[in-house]
Amino acid sequence: DAMVIQNPRYQVTQFGKPVTLSCSQTLNHNVMYWYQQKSSQAPKLLFHYYDKDFNNEADTPDNFQSRRPNTSFCFLDIRSPGLGDAAMYLCATTRFGGGYEQYFGPGTRLTVT
Amino acid sequence: AQTVTQSQPEMSVQEAETVTLSCTYDTSESDYYLFWYKQPPSRQMILVIRQEAYKQQNATENRFSVNFQKAAKSFSLKISDSQLGDAAMYFCAFFTSGTYKYIFGTGTRLKVLA
Repeated sequence: DAMVIQNPRYQVTQFGKPVTLSCSQTLNHNVMYWYQQKSSQAPKLLFHYYDKDFNNEADTPDNFQSRRPNTSFCFLDIRSPGLGDAAMYLCATTRFGGGYEQYFGPGTRLTVT
Repeated sequence: AQTVTQSQPEMSVQEAETVTLSCTYDTSESDYYLFWYKQPPSRQMILVIRQEAYKQQNATENRFSVNFQKAAKSFSLKISDSQLGDAAMYFCAFFTSGTYKYIFGTGTRLKVLA
């Protein structure tokens, strides 16, 4: 089945130690999103890619970076994680000109110790 | 800027009963899409139902239906014959193809009582 895959599902990192989260999709969607979601809150958009065009939200900390080397893969790099970065990170996709519904991955739960 | 408001942080419904979750939004756009997403505890976010703003007919998906009032900027979700598996966080979301961004409401936690 076509889907959005996130690895790892659970990530523990130390304060200040760089970490990379990955997302892949088999849907061939041209738009990909990274969200941060804290407990019982709405997802907060960090970045999105329209093809290779990168769009950064104004309030996304500089500590967060992203890469999209090809249509299928997208990475979220957190250069120096702080305790406040502990959250669920969601990857999602949508297709230009389609029904515009988002397809979400299962998320990566990041713990910072 | 668009905003989405869900005024009910939590709702409860008896199994087999009907419940309505509220969502209002604000926009100056005329062409947009509205969605309800379901996020069960510790599980993936999935689409429940979608409404195109240019369509007057309310969307329906099995037990789920919406009441879309464009002039009032209201988009409520009705769940009929509620089941235990409907227990989840429900998010209302707004999308325009101009920005390719989704604006989410704060969510409503639905509890289903046996």
